[in-house]
Amino acid sequence: DAGITQSPRHKVTETGTPVTLRCHQTENHRYMYWYRQDPGHGLRLIHYSYGVKDTDKGEVSDGYSVSRSKTEDFLLTLESATSSQTSVYFCAISIRNEQFFGPGTRLTVL
Amino acid sequence: GESVGLHLPTLSVQEGDNSIINCAYSNSASDYFIWYKQESGKGPQFIIDIRSNMDKRQGQRVTVLLNKTVKHLSLQIAATQPGDSAVYFCAEKASISNDYKLSFGAGTTVTVRA
Repeated sequence: DAGITQSPRHKVTETGTPVTLRCHQTENHRYMYWYRQDPGHGLRLIHYSYGVKDTDKGEVSDGYSVSRSKTEDFLLTLESATSSQTSVYFCAISIRNEQFFGPGTRLTVL
Repeated sequence: GESVGLHLPTLSVQEGDNSIINCAYSNSASDYFIWYKQESGKGPQFIIDIRSNMDKRQGQRVTVLLNKTVKHLSLQIAATQPGDSAVYFCAEKASISNDYKLSFGAGTTVTVRA
């Protein structure tokens, strides 16, 4: 699993509340990614980071923000959660071209 | 829309038979392709990769074929076992991508019949 953990693993929240998901890696990898996975869409990139304080948008970044103040942590924030953000969220790190994924966070927005 | 996709969303295979999972891509600039396996409740796991300067690569019980002429990628699993039941994704990386970003297809769910 390339030393990747995600927290929480499951969360149920209400529309309009802020939510922060955490991705933690232990092997000092430079590149980190946040994806969401929905039926029929595979994995879609939300945001990614190429170093501390260096982040960029992916294809589905609206409604999400990220922060990376330390190499080992990459945070994904939903400022005001909506029901369309109900999904499974995966964090990944990159070792050259290959990406390794965390176990995922199942988020339900009621 | 997605630049990488799979032909069939589901595949049912008899245990012991060979499986073939297909993927079509549209970005001719892609230079690297990966197949991932995702079991229920887990994150995707790397199976095998192939670069665009190759047309075939073999691993343990798996073979990936790349046909750049028709932009087609396939994953062959030999002697399919119950543990092969999972969702399989193809992913591609554009040659101009310096951030190692991947684009994923929608996935094919493989079910192995006993």
